[in-house]
Amino acid sequence: NAGVTQTPKFRILKIGQSMTLQCTQDMNHNYMYWYRQDPGMGLKLIYYSVGAGITDKGEVPNGYNVSRSTTEDFPLRLELAAPSQTSVYFCASSYSSAGGPVEQFFGPGTRLTVL
Amino acid sequence: AQSVAQPEDQVNVAEGNPLTVKCTYSVSGNPYLFWYVQYPNRGLQFLLKYITGDNLVKGSYGFEAEFNKSQTSFHLKKPSALVSDSALYFCAVRDYPNTGNQFYFGTGTSLTVIP
Repeated sequence: NAGVTQTPKFRILKIGQSMTLQCTQDMNHNYMYWYRQDPGMGLKLIYYSVGAGITDKGEVPNGYNVSRSTTEDFPLRLELAAPSQTSVYFCASSYSSAGGPVEQFFGPGTRLTVL
Repeated sequence: AQSVAQPEDQVNVAEGNPLTVKCTYSVSGNPYLFWYVQYPNRGLQFLLKYITGDNLVKGSYGFEAEFNKSQTSFHLKKPSALVSDSALYFCAVRDYPNTGNQFYFGTGTSLTVIP
């Protein structure tokens, strides 16, 4: 199993440009998440999904959009990039227990710089 | 509101000595608690979890953690630190069933094991 894969690893955007961060998992997990990690701030949840066709906002969704057309894929779209979106982005997935999602499996991250 | 606090940004310990990384939490329901480790330029890796049952939880690489309900704490411990344990450690909580499928992360503790 490859686990959770993310592309690209690095990207530099100009202000106002758009891009899609790709995330794929091969563990057949229902739950998928997008986080951003800023120095000293821990991880902040952007969006999450509980299954194909179902997505919901997290703590910091402004400026981002997601879709979940398949169990495996959960792309994150940045529209009109701003310097405040400079961060490291992590995708994660989790399997279901009787009480919902438990431990998360993380991808290697995408380092995004907006200039 | 749900929250996780890691009161120490940095912990230094000598190789061979016991280590403790502290975590306290605040939830209104039942806490699902997790510890993750992050090595430089990598995604987070799951170490251990507490969902229910025995308050002392054992995990990967010789780490363990103790759930203390009265002190709302979930400190990470290891009896004998290795230089290779040097990394960034994150505590996370899910407030079951109140916050649905979201997880909340602490700001991280940087552990340095000194040879």
